[in-house]
Amino acid sequence: GESVGLHLPTLSVQEGDNSIINCAYSNSASDYFIWYKQESGKGPQFIIDIRSNMDKRQGQRVTVLLNKTVKHLSLQIAATQPGDSAVYFCAENNGGFKTIFGAGTRLFVKA
Amino acid sequence: NAGVTQTPKFQVLKTGQSMTLQCAQDMNHEYMSWYRQDPGMGLRLIHYSVGAGITDQGEVPNGYNVSRSTTEDFPLRLLSAAPSQTSVYFCASSQQASGSGGIGPAYFGPGTRLTVT
Repeated sequence: GESVGLHLPTLSVQEGDNSIINCAYSNSASDYFIWYKQESGKGPQFIIDIRSNMDKRQGQRVTVLLNKTVKHLSLQIAATQPGDSAVYFCAENNGGFKTIFGAGTRLFVKA
Repeated sequence: NAGVTQTPKFQVLKTGQSMTLQCAQDMNHEYMSWYRQDPGMGLRLIHYSVGAGITDQGEVPNGYNVSRSTTEDFPLRLLSAAPSQTSVYFCASSQQASGSGGIGPAYFGPGTRLTVT
């Protein structure tokens, strides 16, 4: 498939371990944050989101943490599986209609 | 539901040619957007629409036009293709976010891979 993000930061984890992907955002007015997963040759896929009135939100095997003080967002994936290998993007929105994406992090899961 | 569909999947253009990238969604979302994705640069917003008849510019609008005559369709036109427009183009749609204003998460199409020679 198509390879995008050839020079992305890369995280390599062992299958079964937990993964933590970090993201720093720039706009202190942003109040809505989203994580996406992109597999090779496909469009980004929504994983989980969080609004600024929350610090933590959990989904199935994923948790997003938001630290507004230092403008930092993280995505935690529990019991990482080979199918989790992908590029992960954080995105921010300030309540309007423009969502800004980060550059992405590539996650490799070693079997 | 098919979700968001895009055509074509691949396209090669010569410099100066024009073309239209098609995008359609069947989720009745009011908000639609176009992004381009280049290696190492994430996704950059080209144009967006908050409803039929309403469009606005994103981060990188130059060289592109859009229109929104129906809720379902949001085509992207390249007026005179340039090698700098070689990229992967994604269309997305979102619902309005309930209560807080703004929009919810985006649902993306599979992309169009465009090469301009």
